[in-house]
Amino acid sequence: DQQVKQNSPSLSVQEGRISILNCDYTNSMFDYFLWYKKYPAEGPTFLISISSIKDKNEDGRFTVFLNKSAKHLSLHIVPSQPGDSAVYFCAASALISNTGNQFYFGTGTSLTVIP
Amino acid sequence: DARVTQTPRHKVTEMGQEVTMRCQPILGHNTVFWYRQTMMQGLELLAYFRNRAPLDDSGMPKDRFSAEMPDATLATLKIQPSEPRDSAVYFCASGHSLAHEQFFGPGTRLTVL
Repeated sequence: DQQVKQNSPSLSVQEGRISILNCDYTNSMFDYFLWYKKYPAEGPTFLISISSIKDKNEDGRFTVFLNKSAKHLSLHIVPSQPGDSAVYFCAASALISNTGNQFYFGTGTSLTVIP
Repeated sequence: DARVTQTPRHKVTEMGQEVTMRCQPILGHNTVFWYRQTMMQGLELLAYFRNRAPLDDSGMPKDRFSAEMPDATLATLKIQPSEPRDSAVYFCASGHSLAHEQFFGPGTRLTVL
């Protein structure tokens, strides 16, 4: 059962335009959300995160929006650059009392920024 | 330059053979995760250690997979016997139990023929 879903396997955007990557989740206990970026032959690297008490977090060209009522978050990249071409994973965590934070990842969205 | 290291980076083996993957977490991190990346499931959590103790290995096929942390600088994931369906990229990640961010290694690409 996929608790974190990224329904778009791929996305293509022109350089300079906005990239919007979407993520849906099912578990209302998730209290923290993260986006990771992955280049081929490398491990994922942390990009940006948001706590469930916020609805927006911005870091340079990257902004994450959280809509708790819809159980939806999105990552906006503006302006998009060719170097942003990568696979983006959405992740969510929930604090489980006896095991600490549990993490769930989506299946990833492959972003291609066209020069 | 602190980073998670994984060995080997690539492994090709035949069905039925034992495979051992190793991970060195970042010094000072007390949580270690093993993930498997597949096209269908994305990043699947296989095992999760905190302070070297296994907290959750429900994602692992217990009959053939085992994960251990012999010491704070080494985590291992073993498959015995390996099967073609185990072919995937296996990632190790480490972090701190007080933080949410995980730091991933470069992965081990396993091919079982």
